[in-house]
Amino acid sequence: AQSVTQLGSHVSVSEGALVLLRCNYSSSVPPYLFWYVQYPNQGLQLLLKYTSAATLVKGINGFEAEFKKSETSFHLTKPSAHMSDAAEYFCAVSDRGGNTPLVFGKGTRLSVIA
Amino acid sequence: EPEVTQTPSHQVTQMGQEVILRCVPISNHLYFYWYRQILGQKVEFLVSFYNNEISEKSEIFDDQFSVERPDGSNFTLKIRSTKLEDSAMYFCASGLAGDSYETQYFGPGTRLLVL
Repeated sequence: AQSVTQLGSHVSVSEGALVLLRCNYSSSVPPYLFWYVQYPNQGLQLLLKYTSAATLVKGINGFEAEFKKSETSFHLTKPSAHMSDAAEYFCAVSDRGGNTPLVFGKGTRLSVIA
Repeated sequence: EPEVTQTPSHQVTQMGQEVILRCVPISNHLYFYWYRQILGQKVEFLVSFYNNEISEKSEIFDDQFSVERPDGSNFTLKIRSTKLEDSAMYFCASGLAGDSYETQYFGPGTRLLVL
């Protein structure tokens, strides 16, 4: 069965600093990987996804993630944090394409300090 | 941009009462999902629904839970007799159907508190 581990329930960065949110997964087959963001009082919004094409995936709002099979990781990065990036970020995995259930990590709350 | 909506945003109920959580998926989507997140825990899959029947369900989705698409726009989750441990944020999601359509679009959630 798949699982997702997000290291750090809370990450705090200064405005303009690098954002790095960590996600490790386990899957017995090539996975589909997702990052979702949740802003206060809103739903989960897809940031980006990996579906076995390019290993470096670019998403919305300047975020990107790199799939590293050898490390079973899919860390999310952004070169320069903005105050508006403060939110909860969720990594999720599916071992099948199409309309299959997602397995989520516990989430990482990102705070951005002015 | 089309979005998934959920009502109510908050619901407080007494243990043993029935609750119905409502969702309006994106209009051309055919696959619907319910997930929940107990405070401090992971978002967990409950059930998926396609072509008027349950496609997959987790072990959490026992006989106390049911889903329905009563009309062409709403998708509901019913909990027949709520327990304290049902207190959670419930997320509805929808997506296009097919192997190439893995993206699920989530609503803002309903926070359910069982007293």
